[in-house]
Amino acid sequence: EAGVAQSPRYKIIEKRQSVAFWCNPISGHATLYWYQQILGQGPKLLIQFQNNGVVDDSQLPKDRFSAERLKGVDSTLKIQPAKLEDSAVYLCASSSVGTGGSPLHFGNGTRLTVT
Amino acid sequence: KNEVEQSPQNLTAQEGEFITINCSYSVGISALHWLQQHPGGGIVSLFMLSSGKKKHGRLIATINIQEKHSSLHITASHPRDSAVYICAGYSGGGADGLTFGKGTHLIIQP
Repeated sequence: EAGVAQSPRYKIIEKRQSVAFWCNPISGHATLYWYQQILGQGPKLLIQFQNNGVVDDSQLPKDRFSAERLKGVDSTLKIQPAKLEDSAVYLCASSSVGTGGSPLHFGNGTRLTVT
Repeated sequence: KNEVEQSPQNLTAQEGEFITINCSYSVGISALHWLQQHPGGGIVSLFMLSSGKKKHGRLIATINIQEKHSSLHITASHPRDSAVYICAGYSGGGADGLTFGKGTHLIIQP
């Protein structure tokens, strides 16, 4: 089966600019996650979707971050405006029934550098 | 608050050695994921377990629910096993984002 696809692989922007990341989960996976991983730290959940609905976005900085999954398939994560501390790898993951009952499948991530 | 603690933080071993990475977790976590992350690479799910033991090739994961402890073992380690190994706990409820440990940085020297 095809894995979780993410693009772009790398992105360099200046602070206060905008950026968007795209994710296409494994076909049929209802649950989609966006994680932020700062260098040397474990991933931090930003938002979790179940189909096209948001299950958890409690750690999403909503003043600058937004995410959508309009048709319950692929998803975009946007940062506007970016700050230096947003430099991180943004990981998309999907699972078929949620992490209590099935493994997570991760994409290769988007490495964002904000200068 | 759900917590997951891993040890050791860093581990360097010689090729062929038996490797053990430990993970302790708090009350409320009902399933555990073991993940592997290579430098510059994405994360690969190795195991998801809520009881007993699972084996895949040279990798073995065990979990002791009473002691709230899980271990990841690598037999006949190889330099290609060098990576960061992360355990992550699932605590259930409506939102099932995982609580991640800080990872164990494993280096296998030839």
